[in-house]
Amino acid sequence: QVQLVQSGAEVKKPGASVQVSCKASGYIFTNYYMHWVRQAPGQGLEWMGTINPRGGSTNYAQKFQGRLKMTRDTSTSTVYMELSSLRSQDTAVYYCARDRLLEAVVTATNRPPGLGLDVWGKGTTVTVSS
Amino acid sequence: EIVLTQSPATLSLSPGERATLSCRASQSVGTYLAWYQQRPGQAPRLLIYDASFRVTGIPARFSGSGSGTDFTLTISGLEPEDFAVYYCQRPGTFGGGTKVEIK
Repeated sequence: QVQLVQSGAEVKKPGASVQVSCKASGYIFTNYYMHWVRQAPGQGLEWMGTINPRGGSTNYAQKFQGRLKMTRDTSTSTVYMELSSLRSQDTAVYYCARDRLLEAVVTATNRPPGLGLDVWGKGTTVTVSS
Repeated sequence: EIVLTQSPATLSLSPGERATLSCRASQSVGTYLAWYQQRPGQAPRLLIYDASFRVTGIPARFSGSGSGTDFTLTISGLEPEDFAVYYCQRPGTFGGGTKVEIK
């Protein structure tokens, strides 16, 4: 079955970096964009950015420009999210989520990626504390 | 940047009642809108995409409507498992959420 398995919880000090991984299985990895979404304690969902696993291109929310990096390893069907210069406000659950649409459909129809995220990882808790 | 505003923040209803949730966009998004359900301690679950298309396996009591700037998620006859938080979303943005709680 289609699933996304994320790495375990992390505790980091302010100013450090964290890398969270998301391993996909059950489908062709390069056929679907992957997104990262986070949720601070008791708060709503916040979209962080997306990566096209086929070519590796990325698009980040402006809020995270300069300290967010998404990469992928096609040999292991894994995407990575690295957030640097951590502060206490980055304490959150971080989710990877697959785009509903095939990458080829997004490209062919000129629709933006993110029109529905249909498969989600269970989330990775990142705690930033001194 | 397009902002999605959901209302009400909290909806208190009894099982069996109809829930009507609103999502308003700060400018037109066409039908590029999705709805999610999130239960406590769980990841969100996609319910509706392209404003009105129900994901396979989602019960028919969930329906979405709207276009442009005004969208609605309707749950016709709340079941106990429907009490949760609901989010609307377009590429790059989520609404603030509506919590549907038991009255």
